[in-house]
Amino acid sequence: DTAVSQTPKYLVTQMGNDKSIKCEQNLGHDTMYWYKQDSKKFLKIMFSYNNKELIINETVPNRFSPKSPDKAHLNLHINSLELGDSAVYFCASSRARPNGGETQYFGPGTRLLVL
Amino acid sequence: EDKVVQSPLSLVVHEGDTVTLNCSYEVTNFRSLLWYKQEKKAPTFLFMLTSSGIEKKSGRLSSILDKKELFSILNITATQTGDSAIYLCAVLGSGYALNFGKGTSLLVTP
Repeated sequence: DTAVSQTPKYLVTQMGNDKSIKCEQNLGHDTMYWYKQDSKKFLKIMFSYNNKELIINETVPNRFSPKSPDKAHLNLHINSLELGDSAVYFCASSRARPNGGETQYFGPGTRLLVL
Repeated sequence: EDKVVQSPLSLVVHEGDTVTLNCSYEVTNFRSLLWYKQEKKAPTFLFMLTSSGIEKKSGRLSSILDKKELFSILNITATQTGDSAIYLCAVLGSGYALNFGKGTSLLVTP
């Protein structure tokens, strides 16, 4: 059973389109995250939700909007896609708010290519 | 601003060699340091370190943290080709987000 799953695995789309990436975790964790990994493999946090409450909102364009319908799901919607949005997007989860003792478990990633 | 610096950025070794990967950090209110291994897809968890001087070990991999000098090392002994991956160091400071270094790309040749 996949602990943290993301769909789709690959997404190829045109500039200007709107797309969503979905994430689900079956670990019973309270906290979920979205990270972006650029072409240089640098991982950077974008958002985090704890029990459906937004706790991290890094400086990302407001074209990116996370939505957490329940604590097992965290979706990422991107409006008006741009070439620079091409990257691998990772979802992760942890048992609780990161207080020093929480490991984050990552999903398989969604590779987004904007043409 | 929190900073995590890994070195070297890339490394090529022969099977059987021992490697040491470095991670230094500057963060506000350090809480923990984590090592991840990333092969083709998602980073997978290796170790979490919160206390200085206590070595964590798993098979041929081990890691230790020095909170005074603000660094950690990840050792891999008797390397195998399956150890080829990007090794990521991440630090949790005063915020909720893990701050990642740029990673060390390790290639183990037969």
